[in-house]
Amino acid sequence: GIQVEQSPPDLILQEGANSTLRCNFSDSVNNLQWFHQNPWGQLINLFYIPSGTKQNGRLSATTVATERYSLLYISSSQTTDSGVYFCAVENLPGNTGKLIFGQGTTLQVKP
Amino acid sequence: GAGVSQSPSNKVTEKGKDVELRCDPISGHTALYWYRQSLGQGLEFLIYFQGNSAPDKSGLPSDRFSAERTGGSVSTLTIQRTQQEDSAVYLCASLRGGWGTQYFGPGTRLLVL
Repeated sequence: GIQVEQSPPDLILQEGANSTLRCNFSDSVNNLQWFHQNPWGQLINLFYIPSGTKQNGRLSATTVATERYSLLYISSSQTTDSGVYFCAVENLPGNTGKLIFGQGTTLQVKP
Repeated sequence: GAGVSQSPSNKVTEKGKDVELRCDPISGHTALYWYRQSLGQGLEFLIYFQGNSAPDKSGLPSDRFSAERTGGSVSTLTIQRTQQEDSAVYLCASLRGGWGTQYFGPGTRLLVL
């Protein structure tokens, strides 16, 4: 089955710094989502981005489907950005929405 | 409702007992998913419902696990004869139609003693 690899596994930042999280996937996808899991375990949708670029405030994401990777950018990080960031994909030719998750990037933002 | 809800939030049970976990999807969402998050295995897909049918049950780990959905809404995940390795957070998600953004509930934290 499709493999989803996220890097780095862990990241420590000082408040105000910028960061880039990467998600590589081994096969074609028709669905890619980025999630933030907060310290209480809630998975929060950040982006639905099977291709292209989107921005939402300090966060932006780019997926280059032909090269099988996606990037999540966090600018001017805040302590509330701490948590685990997951990339999840649905493998083509899927039409069920079943998501395969990467192992996540654990981000700690220090004040 | 406004979001996906799950109950109970936490469940502690003894090995060998049966447990039922409930998921209330967002109103109007026809697709419903169960996932499991455990320390060793990360986030894993368990089962997918479209309406009341489950066309993909490929992630259920054993025949002790079953799920149903009624009225195209509420779903129940049942684990029979629980084992310690069933301890995990069980997450439910829903989706309008067959593609787009999946919305997750807060999860049920299951601990099997």
